[in-house]
Amino acid sequence: GEDVEQSLFLSVREGDSSVINCTYTDSSSTYLYWYKQEPGAGLQLLTYIFSNMDMKQDQRLTVLLNKKDKHLSLCIADTQTGDSAIYFCAESPLSGNTGKLIFGQGTTLQVKP
Amino acid sequence: NAGVMQNPRHLVRRRGQEARLRCSPMKGHSHVYWYRQLPEEGLKFMVYLQKENIIDESGMPKERFSAEFPKEGPSILRIQQVVRGDSAAYFCASSKYEGREQFFGPGTRLTVL
Repeated sequence: GEDVEQSLFLSVREGDSSVINCTYTDSSSTYLYWYKQEPGAGLQLLTYIFSNMDMKQDQRLTVLLNKKDKHLSLCIADTQTGDSAIYFCAESPLSGNTGKLIFGQGTTLQVKP
Repeated sequence: NAGVMQNPRHLVRRRGQEARLRCSPMKGHSHVYWYRQLPEEGLKFMVYLQKENIIDESGMPKERFSAEFPKEGPSILRIQQVVRGDSAAYFCASSKYEGREQFFGPGTRLTVL
């Protein structure tokens, strides 16, 4: 089946690290994505990881993938108030692949000054 | 290089009217995806199109909804005889390759009175 789960809310203080978690069910997923959505806006592609990788780092962002447990994390170092947004995890299932993305329900990140 | 463009950004319709949402993909992208976001929820896949072809419409409601991506011009998502439950944000995404790195437009927020 296709399902992506995320915790709904995370609150951190400015300067701390944030860790947003996601679990998915489709073991055939080839790519896993993180998107950021600010209020009233569209989705901004932050980063993605191929399923044969364990980790990917891009400036303040680190993506960790545990394929055995189907667990994906987005780590944001030195979190800033501008990072406050909703973060969506998405998988791209290979089975019956037609390119669609399956999204989680989003994690609201609140950064306190 | 302009991003994915959607118009209108906001659309108000009365029950029973038709809604037409337009999406122009990024330059060089021939894959277009439509997603719907209900309030407080994640995005749900609706349909995937390439030029002149519907590849996957498994997420489209069976009635009243249709989509096209003609040889010339933008992709159109059409909703006939709108009902209040159609009120949502509709996002279009495009990619250069099937399923990979989908870039999202700003969305059209449809309100049905």
